[in-house]
Amino acid sequence: DQQVKQNSPSLSVQEGRISILNCDYTNSMFDYFLWYKKYPAEGPTFLISISSIKDKNEDGRFTVFLNKSAKHLSLHIVPSQPGDSAVYFCAALGGGSNYKLTFGKGTLLTVNP
Amino acid sequence: NAGVMQNPRHLVRRRGQEARLRCSPMKGHSHVYWYRQLPEEGLKFMVYLQKENIIDESGMPKERFSAEFPKEGPSILRIQQVVRGDSAAYFCASSPLTVGQGIGNTIYFGEGSWLTVV
Repeated sequence: DQQVKQNSPSLSVQEGRISILNCDYTNSMFDYFLWYKKYPAEGPTFLISISSIKDKNEDGRFTVFLNKSAKHLSLHIVPSQPGDSAVYFCAALGGGSNYKLTFGKGTLLTVNP
Repeated sequence: NAGVMQNPRHLVRRRGQEARLRCSPMKGHSHVYWYRQLPEEGLKFMVYLQKENIIDESGMPKERFSAEFPKEGPSILRIQQVVRGDSAAYFCASSPLTVGQGIGNTIYFGEGSWLTVV
C-alpha cells in the first residue's frame, strides 16, 4: 500500500528548460510535504518543503506546488542545470506522526547539457 | 561540523551471519531514525530512537532486527542471521527535535550503509 507515489521513474530535460517532477499521495492526513535530492551512494539531502496550509513555496530555482483537493504536488526546477541530475524523492509527514517520513520511490532526473 | 556519520559504508555478509551498522548523529542531535531502501524502492521508516529509548519501532521486521541508542556511543542497527532479502541501503538520520512540522527540514541523513548478503 503505497501512500506516496511518484509515477515517473525517470525524466530527461535539456539544460535551461523547466523540470517538473510529480508526486501523488493517498493519505489525506498528511500535512507536510518535502522533496529530497539524492546522488548515487549518498544520503538524501533536503531540498524544499511545503505545509498543507499553503499551495506554493519557492526557494531560488525550486518551487513546490500543492493541490490538496487532488492530493498532488509537483516540484519545478527553473532553469534546470546538469548538476541537478539526481534522484528526487517526494516525502510526506503527518497521518498521526510528526517524525515518520513516508517516501515515494523517486524520479531520476537527467539534465542534458 | 561533522554530519551524520555511518559506518561501515559497505558491508558484505554471508547468509546466517550478523550485520552491525553504526550511526553517530550530528552534534547536538538526540533523535535518531533508521530507514531502509531496497533496490528500486523509496526509503522506508524502520525505527526512531532517543538516548536509551526506542520510541517507535513499527517499521522494524519482528524478527532478527534490533536497534539501540545507548547513553554513550553511536546508535546500532543489528541484523542477526542475515538473508539475501536484507541486502539494501540502510540510512540513518538525526534531528534535534520532533515537535511539530519543523522536523521535516531539520532531519539530516547520513550517507548510508550498503549491506550485501551473499
